[in-house]
Amino acid sequence: GAVVSQHPSWVICKSGTSVKIECRSLDFQATTMFWYRQFPKQSLMLMATSNEGSKATYEQGVEKDKFLINHASLTLSTLTVTSAHPEDSSFYICSAKVARGTDTQYFGPGTRLTVL
Amino acid sequence: GDSVTQMEGPVTLSEEAFLTINCTYTATGYPSLFWYVQYPGEGLQLLLKATKADDKGSNKGFEATYRKETTSFHLEKGSVQVSDSAVYFCARPQGGSEKLVFGKGTKLTVNP
Repeated sequence: GAVVSQHPSWVICKSGTSVKIECRSLDFQATTMFWYRQFPKQSLMLMATSNEGSKATYEQGVEKDKFLINHASLTLSTLTVTSAHPEDSSFYICSAKVARGTDTQYFGPGTRLTVL
Repeated sequence: GDSVTQMEGPVTLSEEAFLTINCTYTATGYPSLFWYVQYPGEGLQLLLKATKADDKGSNKGFEATYRKETTSFHLEKGSVQVSDSAVYFCARPQGGSEKLVFGKGTKLTVNP
């Protein structure tokens, strides 16, 4: 149980285009999802916390107009990188909590974004 | 603030060697504690967790005991395998929020 998927697993795009990454909880309803960014050989950096039906809460220094997050249902959250540039190239990972009040997060397999 | 500190690697071991990866946490409250593992090119997988003092989390031969007196949650395995090669992250909740705070990660390489 507690499986989280991401799509696509990798994407290459041209500079200036927008890319959408999907995060789905496959066997549970996730009231809260999280989006992380991971640079090579580094730990995870939390970008934003996404609650179903409400606006995402972004961490300090993360541009909300650059990284659009939508959590329209209890099983799906999307991250759209708008007007992507090479510096946005990274590994993006989502996670989800099974229920409010629990601490455990279950992670997706990640999406490798390369912007040319 | 709330944080975890884990030993920095990389750690290189031979197969069947004993593994310890140290993790200490800031003693604010009594948080749940986690170990996550990340295999190359993949996301994180929950390896084990403990929710209160003296609890022992275990999975796949790995163990970690929640030690309140030393504010530690060290990861151990008695006999590592090549397939254990990965990056291991210690984590705890950030007090008063739903966020997790991660250590910097420890890369483990196990050679045959």
